[in-house]
Amino acid sequence: QTVVTQEPSLTVSPGGTVTLTCGSSTGAVTSTYDAHWFQQKPGQAPRALISGTSNKHSWTPARFSGSLLGGKAALTLSGAQPEDEADYYCLLSYGGSWVFGGGTKVTVL
Amino acid sequence: QVQLQESGPGLVKPSGTLSLTCAVSGDSITNTDWCSWVRQPPGKGLEWIGELSHSGGTNYNPSLKSRVTMSLDRSKQQFSLMLSSVTAGDTAIYYCARNLDDWGQGTLVTVSS
Repeated sequence: QTVVTQEPSLTVSPGGTVTLTCGSSTGAVTSTYDAHWFQQKPGQAPRALISGTSNKHSWTPARFSGSLLGGKAALTLSGAQPEDEADYYCLLSYGGSWVFGGGTKVTVL
Repeated sequence: QVQLQESGPGLVKPSGTLSLTCAVSGDSITNTDWCSWVRQPPGKGLEWIGELSHSGGTNYNPSLKSRVTMSLDRSKQQFSLMLSSVTAGDTAIYYCARNLDDWGQGTLVTVSS
């Protein structure tokens, strides 16, 4: 069974930078995994932030960016705002099947 | 602006079949490459259930494949999920999504007698 791994929790200071990563039990994550990133706040549905590793949606704040880093997919938040406090999930493609990571709880403190 | 709305029974009996519908408005469903279903047990993470293409092709989570059926009704601008032989472990908020970009608000389905 394929496992996608994320940091359980991270803390960032207001205005600071934090990088979330998304690894695969199958090996290095590449562009073929078509990484997606989602933000979810309490009581709300997930909101898409990034698709295709690094493509932002029209509604994605400029402070969020996606990349590949050290064999993992990464989401970098530069200039964290209090409203960025949320759970973040990555999603990887495995040739017709998708697997979510366990999520990272980001605290802005 | 595209909107998705899930609907269906909020309570299903064990061993029964969960049936949900996702209504799409604001754009033609034929402009959707993939219609997806995702669920989230209370207090837990997201789980991909499966996806349905505009041409009718499907991909399902291998762990759920034997119990899942997805279908598309273009005339009604909606797509559906059926999950059979449910247990308490299927209790979750069920979300529909369009191309993984646009999401419904979710609907809680509880499996209980």
